[in-house]
Amino acid sequence: GAGVSQSPSNKVTEKGKDVELRCDPISGHTALYWYRQSLGQGLEFLIYFQGNSAPDKSGLPSDRFSAERTGGSVSTLTIQRTQQEDSAVYLCASSLSGISETQYFGPGTRLLVL
Amino acid sequence: QQQVKQSPQSLIVQKGGIPIINCAYENTAFDYFPWYQQFPGKGPALLIAIRPDVSEKKEGRFTISFNKSAKQFSLHIMDSQPGDSATYFCAASMSGSQGNLIFGKGTKLSVKP
Repeated sequence: GAGVSQSPSNKVTEKGKDVELRCDPISGHTALYWYRQSLGQGLEFLIYFQGNSAPDKSGLPSDRFSAERTGGSVSTLTIQRTQQEDSAVYLCASSLSGISETQYFGPGTRLLVL
Repeated sequence: QQQVKQSPQSLIVQKGGIPIINCAYENTAFDYFPWYQQFPGKGPALLIAIRPDVSEKKEGRFTISFNKSAKQFSLHIMDSQPGDSATYFCAASMSGSQGNLIFGKGTKLSVKP
């Protein structure tokens, strides 16, 4: 079956603009994660969704970042008033359940804020 | 505070060599330690994982060695090939948590022909 997909694959925006990044998890996976990967850095956890539970937003770096997951499937990560330091690769991962640790990653969205 | 420290940052070996990548963790509650492989332009993919009840796990040419008392674990790649050239990330998580992974900063491996 299809893996995790993300769109767009690349996004260039101007400082101060809002951006929306989309993630389609693997069908049937109840857990969904967003990570950020900056150049030369590891992956930084941002937010976690599990089924219909309230999301764990503990990794979001500021209130300019938000995410939602509609119908327990597709997720959108929104960054408002983008800053240059937001430039990074944003990765989405899904797993069968929150208990299952094998996370399957999408290809990422490369965001460049000019 | 970085909870998972990974070294080296980069590594160059000849084909057939055995690169070793090391990771150290701080939180003794971690009980799941995966390694991810990432090729340029792709998302990370699970390579191999270990739990602290065993000291070694082998899958094909990839081996994880785990030292619980030292809070360290390492990845060994036997008979390395140019196709193994990628960035490798170690990670850790707690099964009692929501499962989000804490990643090391990655090791860029280059295997020369």
